[in-house]
Amino acid sequence: GAGVSQSPRYKVAKRGQDVALRCDPISGHVSLFWYQQALGQGPEFLTYFQNEAQLDKSGLPSDRFFAERPEGSVSTLKIQRTQQEDSAVYLCASSTHRIATEGSTDTQYFGPGTRLTVL
Amino acid sequence: AQSVTQLGSHVSVSEGALVLLRCNYSSSVPPYLFWYVQYPNQGLQLLLKYTTGATLVKGINGFEAEFKKSETSFHLTKPSAHMSDAAEYFCAVTAFSGNTPLVFGKGTRLSVIA
Repeated sequence: GAGVSQSPRYKVAKRGQDVALRCDPISGHVSLFWYQQALGQGPEFLTYFQNEAQLDKSGLPSDRFFAERPEGSVSTLKIQRTQQEDSAVYLCASSTHRIATEGSTDTQYFGPGTRLTVL
Repeated sequence: AQSVTQLGSHVSVSEGALVLLRCNYSSSVPPYLFWYVQYPNQGLQLLLKYTTGATLVKGINGFEAEFKKSETSFHLTKPSAHMSDAAEYFCAVTAFSGNTPLVFGKGTRLSVIA
């Protein structure tokens, strides 16, 4: 596709509900990242995939958060038993993958985000 | 560990005036540095990035930034502000490869006054 897309753009959930947020990366992009952006803050890393492999999930704030990318393309971030502190914008980013060499870096392209409000 | 500090959560300039947004970083390894811009209800758009080589980096929309290792800084500048530059700006750092998570600052909101 032309860019990273995310759905839904807005989600309102009652506390305790489960939610699922979808990310469609740029076609052919191997790497996919999820970030959480609280109001008035910069994005914070949640988790990272290379193809279908979840290589880093150190940023997930609790075991209520779960992410998957089963076919190495679309990814879903699931939040179980949502809490008010989960209210934030969830950003997805994708990038191509090259063998890492010093001096090279791939740009992460960001989607528009999903704004989650937990009441 | 890496971190980014953006001085000033809100900067206001007059149209046509110099834009200066400050970013200082901390990194235990040589850093790769980025500036992203975020317009309301939109995702982040890359303005420019520094990896190695020339320390003055030019980006889109007339922005540029200079990597100063001795000052651990990567300030963003633009000679003449336009109304369309009003947005949130984020400085970010990563190490070695872009395929590692970005560490962002808290952002600076730029207002441009006519």
